[in-house]
Amino acid sequence: NAGVTQTPKFQVLKTGQSMTLQCAQDMNHEYMSWYRQDPGMGLRLIHYSVGAGITDQGEVPNGYNVSRSTTEDFPLRLLSAAPSQTSVYFCASSYYPSGYGYTFGSGTRLTVV
Amino acid sequence: GQQLNQSPQSMFIQEGEDVSMNCTSSSIFNTWLWYKQDPGEGPVLLIALYKAGELTSNGRLTAQFGITRKDSFLNISASIPSDVGIYFCAGLAREETSGSRLTFGEGTQLTVNP
Repeated sequence: NAGVTQTPKFQVLKTGQSMTLQCAQDMNHEYMSWYRQDPGMGLRLIHYSVGAGITDQGEVPNGYNVSRSTTEDFPLRLLSAAPSQTSVYFCASSYYPSGYGYTFGSGTRLTVV
Repeated sequence: GQQLNQSPQSMFIQEGEDVSMNCTSSSIFNTWLWYKQDPGEGPVLLIALYKAGELTSNGRLTAQFGITRKDSFLNISASIPSDVGIYFCAGLAREETSGSRLTFGEGTQLTVNP
C-alpha cells in the first residue's frame, strides 16, 4: 500500500525560484490538505481540498497555490520562494474532512537560501 | 482562528515511567485526535475520540475527550525507548461554510532514557 506519496523528500531553492511539491494518494480519499511544520509551532494548514476541482485556503496560504484536477493528486506550488518558506511540508488525505483522521505523507524538507 | 495549547513542550523520562500530556483550547471541538511523529516521518494516528467524556485505549496508550469538549489528555504507561517522538493533539470542529478543519497543537517532544 503506497498511501500518501510526497516528492521530493529534500529540496534547496534560491530566493525567488518557483517549484511544485508533489502529493499523490491511492486510497480514493476525497479530502486532501497541505501543512507546514516549523519548530515549536506544530502543523499549520496551508491549503485543503474537499474533492476534485475544489480548493480552499487554510491558516497560512500566502505564497502558495494549489489545484486539484484529479482525486489522486494535490500539488503545492511555491510561486516565488522566500527564506520564510523554509520548513517541512506534509500532505495528508482522508475519506472525510472529519472524524476519521488523516494519513500523512513522509514530508518534503525545503530550504530556501 | 482556533488554537490548541499542548503541554508539556518536552519531556525527559526513564524507561518504565508513565507519561501524561494534554491539550486545551478556548474553542469546542467535535473530535480529538492524537498523533505520533517519528523522526523524518509524517504523523501517524494513535487514537481518535468522538464523544465528550470518552475514554479510549490503544495498548499502553489511553486518551480522554474532556467533558467540556475543550480539552483532551493522553497517557502512556510503562514507557519504552520506541515511544520516543513528537506527540501531537489535533482537534476537529465543524464549520458550516467551508467544511471541517483539523487544528494541531504545538507538539510534545518525548525522550525516553533506557
